[in-house]
Amino acid sequence: QSVLTQPPSVSGAPGQRVTISCTGSSSNIGAGYDVHWYQQLPGTAPKLLIHGNSNRPSGVPDRFSGSKSGTSASLAITGLQAEDEADYYCQSYDSSLSGRVFGGGTKLTVL
Amino acid sequence: EVQLVESGGGLVQPGGSLKLSCAASGFTFSGSAMHWVRQASGKGLEWVGRIRSKANSYATAYAASVKGRFTISRDDSKNTAYLQMNSLKIEDTAVYYCTRLSGDDSSSWYRDWGQGTLVTVSS
Repeated sequence: QSVLTQPPSVSGAPGQRVTISCTGSSSNIGAGYDVHWYQQLPGTAPKLLIHGNSNRPSGVPDRFSGSKSGTSASLAITGLQAEDEADYYCQSYDSSLSGRVFGGGTKLTVL
Repeated sequence: EVQLVESGGGLVQPGGSLKLSCAASGFTFSGSAMHWVRQASGKGLEWVGRIRSKANSYATAYAASVKGRFTISRDDSKNTAYLQMNSLKIEDTAVYYCTRLSGDDSSSWYRDWGQGTLVTVSS
């Protein structure tokens, strides 16, 4: 059971918009800790997608955006492309565990 | 170019030991906190532990699932981090990733990842 809760899967057609939620608690997201997002393409290591809730590293398309409110965060992907098919993980810090925690991951399928 | 290259994975029997290495290049290794994250097949990411820099007394921390069995160390002269795994259990079977933190506070993120090394615990 992951500390941060994500939907196991989401799907969308090419060109559509999808969102992935990440729900935490008062000891992590709700405590004000930043949320970061990672993309893991099949058979590869995770790669940073969004840091500090809504910041994109250079090279990440602006189709990807992040937001945070209360005890939750969201990753939005617009203009879905086949290459976006991957697993997505949120990550934050938890004060009660004194360490970094991940969501269980969400598998994005592009129909 | 930042590179993190893990090595040392393999097949080990339950109760056995294994030491993973993470060779770093392309950044100031000595000033960076290094973490280990693992992923069982078909499962999500699990933080294993970390070691901070010399400036932060090489402080280590571990997930409850590995505390007392795993030890993280580093050799700044070799730009290498290590994960010593003892008393291995079947549930430790996973791909182990070495990662570099963007900073060393609660807001930091995993900016670089190695390719991972597979550890299989089986009789």
